[in-house]
Amino acid sequence: DQQVKQNSPSLSVQEGRISILNCDYTNSMFDYFLWYKKYPAEGPTFLISISSIKDKNEDGRFTVFLNKSAKHLSLHIVPSQPGDSAVYFCAASALQVFPSDRGSTLGRLYFGRGTQLTVWP
Amino acid sequence: ETGVTQTPRHLVMGMTNKKSLKCEQHLGHNAMYWYKQSAKKPLELMFVYSLEERVENNSVPSRFSPECPNSSHLFLHLHTLQPEDSALYLCASSPRDRDENEQFFGPGTRLTVL
Repeated sequence: DQQVKQNSPSLSVQEGRISILNCDYTNSMFDYFLWYKKYPAEGPTFLISISSIKDKNEDGRFTVFLNKSAKHLSLHIVPSQPGDSAVYFCAASALQVFPSDRGSTLGRLYFGRGTQLTVWP
Repeated sequence: ETGVTQTPRHLVMGMTNKKSLKCEQHLGHNAMYWYKQSAKKPLELMFVYSLEERVENNSVPSRFSPECPNSSHLFLHLHTLQPEDSALYLCASSPRDRDENEQFFGPGTRLTVL
C-alpha cells in the first residue's frame, strides 16, 4: 500500500507561470517531507523540505506548503523556467529506530511515483 | 570527487552472469542505501546500512547481495538475475542521528537483464 501519492503523472506549464505539484500521504507519523528533482540519466537531487511543525517553507522560487489535517503538501515554483523541466518526487519521512542499529534513529524515506513537469517557452 | 558516485552507469548482463554495482560517497556520511526504480513505480528501498551494519533488508530476493566494507563504500552483488530485475539502481547516503533525513543520491546504474 503506497503511503505517499502523487496523483498527477505529468504537468505542463508555460514559462513565467506558476507550477503547482501536489502530494498526498496517509501515514500520520510522517514528520518530515522533502521534494526531489530528477533529470534524465541523473539521480534525484534534493530541492526543498519542510518539518511537520511548519506549514510553509520558502527557498527562492520554490515554496512548499504543508496541510497536516488534509495530509497534503504542495510545491509551488514561481516563476517557472524551462530548466525546471524534470521529474519531481515527493518524499516523507518518519524517524524510526532500526532494531539492529545500536539504538540510533535513522529516517526512512517513502517516495511518490513522481510528476513530470514540462515548462514550455 | 564530491558527492555520491556510482559505477558502472550502464550494465547489460545475462541471467547467468555475476556482476557488482559500486557506490562511493565523499560526504562523510555514515548511512547508505540501495534503491530500485522500475518504470512507473516509486523508488523502492532495498537495503540500509548504518555504520557498516545492515539494518534493513526490505524483502529483497537473495540474488541481490549487498556489502558495505566501510562507511564510504557500498556494493550490490548480482547473480542469476531475472529480466524483471531490469531497472535503475540508485545509491544514497545520509548522516545518522539527524532530525532531518535528507538523502543524497548517486546518478544510478541502469541495469538491463537479458
